[in-house]
Amino acid sequence: GENVEQHPSTLSVQEGDSAVIKCTYSDSASNYFPWYKQELGKRPQLIIDIRSNVGEKKDQRIAVTLNKTAKHFSLHITETQPEDSAVYFCAASRTGANNLFFGTGTRLTVIP
Amino acid sequence: NAGVTQTPKFQVLKTGQSMTLQCAQDMNHEYMSWYRQDPGMGLRLIHYSVGAGITDQGEVPNGYNVSRSTTEDFPLRLLSAAPSQTSVYFCASGSVSRGYTFGSGTRLTVV
Repeated sequence: GENVEQHPSTLSVQEGDSAVIKCTYSDSASNYFPWYKQELGKRPQLIIDIRSNVGEKKDQRIAVTLNKTAKHFSLHITETQPEDSAVYFCAASRTGANNLFFGTGTRLTVIP
Repeated sequence: NAGVTQTPKFQVLKTGQSMTLQCAQDMNHEYMSWYRQDPGMGLRLIHYSVGAGITDQGEVPNGYNVSRSTTEDFPLRLLSAAPSQTSVYFCASGSVSRGYTFGSGTRLTVV
């Protein structure tokens, strides 16, 4: 099955700085890569996703890049704010199989 | 449109007891799944279903049973609870083309 690795496990940044979280995947057939934000005691919430026919996608301060050849994708958060503090999970899936495979998470702390 | 509804939100079981975690969705999704979340291990797939009457095992199926008699419901059963099953459980439904929606989770403690 798919194996998703995520780094770093913890990340602290000053408010206003950028944060980058990286993930690699093993199954070359994977074609859907969502990112989830999970606040303490809450459910994972989708913040952005990318499909394999696209190399980059942006939504305001959040962007995701995908390198299919290297089988890695990254989450970029610019101008970080204290409310960005949470655990972020990357995941991978593929059309037809539909199972989501998750990375182990990154705890992001934005220091005011 | 309630999305994905999970019950209960919290549960404490004694070792050896059985229980069923309920999951229901009103989005007409064919695919539904159960995950467990443990510290430092992300979300791991327990069981999944691609439609009524069809279920299959995920990464960590031991100790859990599922059934899918309707499109809407996908209950998860613990037949004989063990302390190793202490975790937070999430139900999810959706697809690659439509995205995935998670329930609010069940925090289970087995003593």
